[in-house]
Amino acid sequence: NAGVMQNPRHLVRRRGQEARLRCSPMKGHSHVYWYRQLPEEGLKFMVYLQKENIIDESGMPKERFSAEFPKEGPSILRIQQVVRGDSAAYFCASSPNSNNSPLHFGNGTRLTVT
Amino acid sequence: GNSVTQMEGPVTLSEEAFLTINCTYTATGYPSLFWYVQYPGEGLQLLLKATKADDKGSNKGFEATYRKETTSFHLEKGSVQVSDSAVYFCALSVKGYSTLTFGKGTMLLVSP
Repeated sequence: NAGVMQNPRHLVRRRGQEARLRCSPMKGHSHVYWYRQLPEEGLKFMVYLQKENIIDESGMPKERFSAEFPKEGPSILRIQQVVRGDSAAYFCASSPNSNNSPLHFGNGTRLTVT
Repeated sequence: GNSVTQMEGPVTLSEEAFLTINCTYTATGYPSLFWYVQYPGEGLQLLLKATKADDKGSNKGFEATYRKETTSFHLEKGSVQVSDSAVYFCALSVKGYSTLTFGKGTMLLVSP
């Protein structure tokens, strides 16, 4: 039973480029959460999605960041025109529902902006 | 707002020593409390949880008790092993399990 799969594990982008981070939830899970871990910081909630719906995006920066979870395929976190401050580890988690189900985390994508 | 404060690391211990990692929180509402562990190169795994005051979460020899009066959820283990070396995160949620608020993490290093 595969866990939460994130790819790529490492991503290097130059300033101004776009970054796309992918997350496939555990089988049977329809709820996806994205968290960001900046250097020397804890994990910060970004966005919570169900299939085709954004439920809570209170942690998403207002510009350049977007997320989707289409009916088919993985969830995508997209960062446009990356800047050095976007360098961080981005973690995806999934759960089967929102009713007291624990989150299962992926191994993260480490984004480096040069 | 909600926040979690945990002791800074690294915490360095010898095998079989007693472990305490302190965690305190502030929250609006009545939070659920969690400890997550992250082994090198891996994602976070739920270690234990408690959903109401005086509950004790336990797993793999680790324990933590939900103390509402002191707003704390300290992690303890009586005898650590080298394999416990990891980063430990304290977290809370006031919306169920979804929007977790994490502490900064505490690295534990256990030597033989």
